Amino acid sequence: AQKVTQAQTEISVVEKEDVTLDCVYETRDTTYYLFWYKQPPSGELVFLIRRNSFDEQNEISGRYSWNFQKSTSSFNFTITASQVVDSAVYFCALSAGANSKLTFGKGITLSVRP
Amino acid sequence: EAGVAQSPRYKIIEKRQSVAFWCNPISGHATLYWYQQILGQGPKLLIQFQNNGVVDDSQLPKDRFSAERLKGVDSTLKIQPAKLEDSAVYLCASSSQLAGGYNEQFFGPGTRLTVL
Repeated sequence: AQKVTQAQTEISVVEKEDVTLDCVYETRDTTYYLFWYKQPPSGELVFLIRRNSFDEQNEISGRYSWNFQKSTSSFNFTITASQVVDSAVYFCALSAGANSKLTFGKGITLSVRP
Repeated sequence: EAGVAQSPRYKIIEKRQSVAFWCNPISGHATLYWYQQILGQGPKLLIQFQNNGVVDDSQLPKDRFSAERLKGVDSTLKIQPAKLEDSAVYLCASSSQLAGGYNEQFFGPGTRLTVL
């Protein structure tokens, strides 16, 4: 069975602060994919990143960076110099097995104050 | 390229009534998913279609929920009769995935259902 744990439920920061969103996953599959999605107040899920289990390289995209560590089954997401527009709910998700269905964590509500 | 379309965006019904949601996936996407997102939780897969066949409906409450994808394009999700605990956002997603591979799922705006 697949499981994704996002222990943080709500985070509030002041604009320009850095913030890290934690994600821990469980799976017995050796091939799997990890994702981060953003859900702004409008409700639509916006795809941010996908990593496969064979690629542990960290990735940076603008102010966003991701740290994938198989040894600790974690896939953490850092926003550098946060902005008010980053306020949203962020979901970590896992896909493993033949059907590739997504298993989501409960989400982290990020509030960035001006 | 047009995204995943869903309608209606909002629906309010009383318990024991019926309701239907519609989804039009991205053109050419073979795989279509329906997720239920209860407030404060992550989306949970209800049913997955590959073309017009069901791949996974293990978490679909089949006594009250049904879904179909005629001709492998549009899909309809129905609840009959609705219960209070069905209040949620129903998200449709599609991907170009064929069996054995993986491509990201693109989500529609969702339908927010309130059952009174």
